[in-house]
Amino acid sequence: AQSVAQPEDQVNVAEGNPLTVKCTYSVSGNPYLFWYVQYPNRGLQFLLKYITGDNLVKGSYGFEAEFNKSQTSFHLKKPSALVSDSALYFCAVRDRTGRRALTFGSGTRLQVQP
Amino acid sequence: NAGVTQTPKFQVLKTGQSMTLQCAQDMNHNSMYWYRQDPGMGLRLIYYSASEGTTDKGEVPNGYNVSRLNKREFSLRLESAAPSQTSVYFCASSEGGTTNEQFFGPGTRLTVL
Repeated sequence: AQSVAQPEDQVNVAEGNPLTVKCTYSVSGNPYLFWYVQYPNRGLQFLLKYITGDNLVKGSYGFEAEFNKSQTSFHLKKPSALVSDSALYFCAVRDRTGRRALTFGSGTRLQVQP
Repeated sequence: NAGVTQTPKFQVLKTGQSMTLQCAQDMNHNSMYWYRQDPGMGLRLIYYSASEGTTDKGEVPNGYNVSRLNKREFSLRLESAAPSQTSVYFCASSEGGTTNEQFFGPGTRLTVL
């Protein structure tokens, strides 16, 4: 069975500082990995994905994520946080067997203080 | 392009009542999904439809039924609502295939008293 862990319920960071939102996964074989963001009272929006190739993936709004196979991690990063980045962030994984369902983590609330 | 639309936005039911949540997408996607979101638990898959005419159970299908009415529409039915089904329900769609991201609707907030 596949699973995702987001060990931090909340991450607080000052505007202008770098941010990291952590994600580790468990899946048979090589994974497909995704990050989504949810703003209040909205649906989830796709940020970025890792399929294959370069371990550093760049996505929307200046976010990037680094795939680390040995540590089974896919941490979300941004060099300089904005107050408008404050939202709920979800990591998700899918295995490569052809099953289309995503497994989501429990979410991390990012709070960027001015 | 409206993307993924869901109706209603809010609903309050009494225990034992039934209702259908509607979802439609205008992106010509093959695959559609229903999730529920509960605090601290992320999103859990209820049912999905890989293509028109097919449906499969997800992680938490009990108490729900689905219909893939056509390529655009995928409805979720609660036959006899229970308080444990109080949640926010999201519909999503994707082009299909395992590498494609999913696009989400705005959600339906359901309360069962």
